[in-house]
Amino acid sequence: EVQLLESGGGLVQPGGSLRLSCAASGFTFSSYAMNWVRQAPGKGLEWVSTISGSGSHTYNADSVKGRFTISRDNSKNTLYLQMNSLRADDTAVYYCAKDFPGSGSYYTVDFWGQGTLVTVSS
Amino acid sequence: DIVMTQSPLSLPVTPGEPASISCRSSQSLLHSNGHNYLDWYLQKPGQSPQLLIYLGSNRASGVPDRFSGSGSGTDFTLKISRVEAEDVGVYYCRQVRQDPPTFGPGTKVNIK
Repeated sequence: EVQLLESGGGLVQPGGSLRLSCAASGFTFSSYAMNWVRQAPGKGLEWVSTISGSGSHTYNADSVKGRFTISRDNSKNTLYLQMNSLRADDTAVYYCAKDFPGSGSYYTVDFWGQGTLVTVSS
Repeated sequence: DIVMTQSPLSLPVTPGEPASISCRSSQSLLHSNGHNYLDWYLQKPGQSPQLLIYLGSNRASGVPDRFSGSGSGTDFTLKISRVEAEDVGVYYCRQVRQDPPTFGPGTKVNIK
């Protein structure tokens, strides 16, 4: 059974940093691209970052470029999101999600974690 | 960026009746390979989103056959042949044809 468990969320001041983790199990982690998608309170979904299975290719939304870094450790079956220079509008539930290879796109995802809440506030 | 729009944004439904959601993109999602790079997701209350439809019309594993996706280019439709109470939630379309992938604003489906 596929499981994705996010952790690392919490309250952080504007300008601060946070690292999110996503522990994966139930599938061959290194074979799949992974995504971070966020949802601000009461709002819709917003794609944040994607990383290929090997980790050699990464893609980021313009809103987080230069501030967030997606990475993975395939030996630990874990996905990360390093978030720096956090702003109030980064406040959201952050979901990690597994790529669905049947679509031919890294961005289509078929399993989502339960999410971790990041609150940026002074 | 490709802008996605959905209508209606709110949809009261009656169990047993059909329902339909429209999704439009500001640019064509049709690739030269013949596929439309359009997904549908459902986020049930208090839950994470789940994949319903990929490539415009393909049901994801485990999705009931009362759900169907259709359309091509810039106009797409998600249909529920007979709504059940468990189908309430917010439905999102999402284009994955071009970077960055973008979601529609969501359609909230609730029982009348």
